[in-house]
Amino acid sequence: QITLQESGPSLVQPTQTLTLTCTFTGFSLATTGVGVGWIRQPPGKALECLAFIYWDGEKRISPSLNTRLTITKDTSRNQVVLTMTNMDPVDTGTYFCAYKGVLPPTFGHWGQGTLVTVSS
Amino acid sequence: EIVLTQSPVTLSLSPGESATLSCRASQGVASQLAWYQQKPGQAPRLLIYDASNRATDIPARFSGSGSRTDFTLTISSLEPEDFAVYYCQQRHNWPWTFGQGTKVDIK
Repeated sequence: QITLQESGPSLVQPTQTLTLTCTFTGFSLATTGVGVGWIRQPPGKALECLAFIYWDGEKRISPSLNTRLTITKDTSRNQVVLTMTNMDPVDTGTYFCAYKGVLPPTFGHWGQGTLVTVSS
Repeated sequence: EIVLTQSPVTLSLSPGESATLSCRASQGVASQLAWYQQKPGQAPRLLIYDASNRATDIPARFSGSGSRTDFTLTISSLEPEDFAVYYCQQRHNWPWTFGQGTKVDIK
């Protein structure tokens, strides 16, 4: 059974750096073809894919956020970490991590999400 | 960036009725399109991948069709648990993008 769990601060001050950790079970990021992504959702709005990391370490970062985002993995600890710098109130929302396997080749398993509020 | 436009924004239907949701891509995405269902306070749930393949444990009343730029999600007979927001998502080009969602609510 595949599970993912996001963890990190629920409140961040403007200009601070956000660090979120996705801890997962039921698969290995050493398996060819798989990966983990981060998706966010502002309150009442649509989903936005932020970053993705493949089993081989290849990364994809949203072009609109590429100066602020970093994604890394720790295969031995079954974790993926997202770092977002210079947080702004518009970054408020629920942040999800999700698993993309070989089949289905899309986000078939999601964490429950973590709400991050950016406010002073 | 590929823009996905979903229509209608809201669909008001009664249980037992059929729902047809549309997703149009600003450029071709082959068949690399998925559909998700999201209920309030929950994570999205994968329904359909690669345009027409049902994900594991998804009831047969959900079906997907289309290719390139025009896609459809059909729910053949709405059950009470189907009232939710539905998103399409493409993985053809990075950044992978989602549509703005269609809300299916009870008439």
